[in-house]
Amino acid sequence: DTAVSQTPKYLVTQMGNDKSIKCEQNLGHDTMYWYKQDSKKFLKIMFSYNNKELIINETVPNRFSPKSPDKAHLNLHINSLELGDSAVYFCASSQIGSPTGELFFGEGSRLTVL
Amino acid sequence: QQQVKQSPQSLIVQKGGISIINCAYENTAFDYFPWYQQFPGKGPALLIAIRPDVSEKKEGRFTISFNKSAKQFSLHIMDSQPGDSATYFCAASLSGTYKYIFGTGTRLKVLA
Repeated sequence: DTAVSQTPKYLVTQMGNDKSIKCEQNLGHDTMYWYKQDSKKFLKIMFSYNNKELIINETVPNRFSPKSPDKAHLNLHINSLELGDSAVYFCASSQIGSPTGELFFGEGSRLTVL
Repeated sequence: QQQVKQSPQSLIVQKGGISIINCAYENTAFDYFPWYQQFPGKGPALLIAIRPDVSEKKEGRFTISFNKSAKQFSLHIMDSQPGDSATYFCAASLSGTYKYIFGTGTRLKVLA
């Protein structure tokens, strides 16, 4: 059973289109995250939700809108895609207050904007 | 204040050698320092972590050394193996903030 699963694994689309990435975790964690990893492998946090409530919203364009329908799911919708949005997007989850505070990552969704 | 600086950017080590990756942080409030390992096409996974009340933590061939006064910590991989070839990220976190600050990553290649 995959702990943090994201779909789709690959997205190729044209500039100006809208796309969504879905994430689900079956670990029972209360906090979920979206990270962006660029071509240089830099990992940068975008958003975090704790029990469906947005708690971290880094400087991300308004074209990116996260949604958490319940604490096991966190989706990312991107409007009007731009070339610079090409990256690998990772979903992650953790349990706040756990001894390790470990982040569990999904396998990533590679977005290519042409 | 929120940065974590990681070096080197890339590292090539012979099989059986020692791989050393260094990180430095600025915010003295950070209280949790994990290392994540990422293989191509996969998400990062926790390798080993340390809290600032100890100076060293060892798990198998992997050791974290922590220098609180210098605000530095490092990962040592003893007897490096080709299967250790991956990208390694250090990170720092402040309990209760839900936020990890990641280093820029080190691509390690272990030659057979």
